[in-house]
Amino acid sequence: AQSVTQLDSQVPVFEEAPVELRCNYSSSVSVYLFWYVQYPNQGLQLLLKYLSGSTLVKGINGFEAEFNKSQTSFHLRKPSVHISDTAEYFCAVSSSGGYQKVTFGTGTKLQVIP
Amino acid sequence: KAGVTQTPRYLIKTRGQQVTLSCSPISGHRSVSWYQQTPGQGLQFLFEYFSETQRNKGNFPGRFSGRQFSNSRSEMNVSTLELGDSALYLCASSLVEPTNEKLFFGSGTQLSVL
Repeated sequence: AQSVTQLDSQVPVFEEAPVELRCNYSSSVSVYLFWYVQYPNQGLQLLLKYLSGSTLVKGINGFEAEFNKSQTSFHLRKPSVHISDTAEYFCAVSSSGGYQKVTFGTGTKLQVIP
Repeated sequence: KAGVTQTPRYLIKTRGQQVTLSCSPISGHRSVSWYQQTPGQGLQFLFEYFSETQRNKGNFPGRFSGRQFSNSRSEMNVSTLELGDSALYLCASSLVEPTNEKLFFGSGTQLSVL
C-alpha cells in the first residue's frame, strides 16, 4: 500500500520570501511522485512530476521539487513567492509495476502575505 | 481543446436520496478517475475506469458506484445519501494510464446533503 503525508496543513509566507512545502511518502515499490495545485473554485493542475532520472524536477510557475529516496520525501520549493501563488498544494504518489491508483495527500494551504 | 467537464456544478440533496454526477473527459482520453474531496481529508480515491471497465476501486461503501460509456464519458452514482457524503467530487481524465501520466481535473461537483 502507498500513502502520502503532508504534515503542514497551512503555511503562511511573506511575498518574495522562499517557501518549502513538505511531502513524505510510503511505498514498498518504486514510485512516481507529483505535485498539484488547486486555486479557489477550480480543479487541480499539475505543477510537476517525478518518474525517473534526475532527482531535481522543475515545474511550472518557478516551482521545483527534489526526490529523496533515502528520506522518502518530495518537498516542493520556490525561491520567491508571489501573491498569485496563494492556493492549496497537493502531493501525490503512485507506484510502478502495473497499474496503481494515484494517492493524494491532505493538502497544504499556502497563504502569501503582502 | 475542451477541458474536463463536470455537471452539475452544484447539487443539494436530502438524506436518503440518490444522486448521479457526470464527467466528460478531454477528447481522446480513455481513463477517468473519481475523487472525493473534503476539508482536512484531501482527495480520496473512489474508482477509475478505462474502456468501460472499472480498473481500480477505493475504500468506499457499495452506495458509491460508477460507470463509463463507450465515448469515455463517465457517471458516478451515490445512493441512500448520508450527511457525510457532502463533499466536492472531482473527476480527472488521462490518456491511458493515470499512474504515470498527467491527470486533467474538472472543476468538480459540490454536493451538499441536508
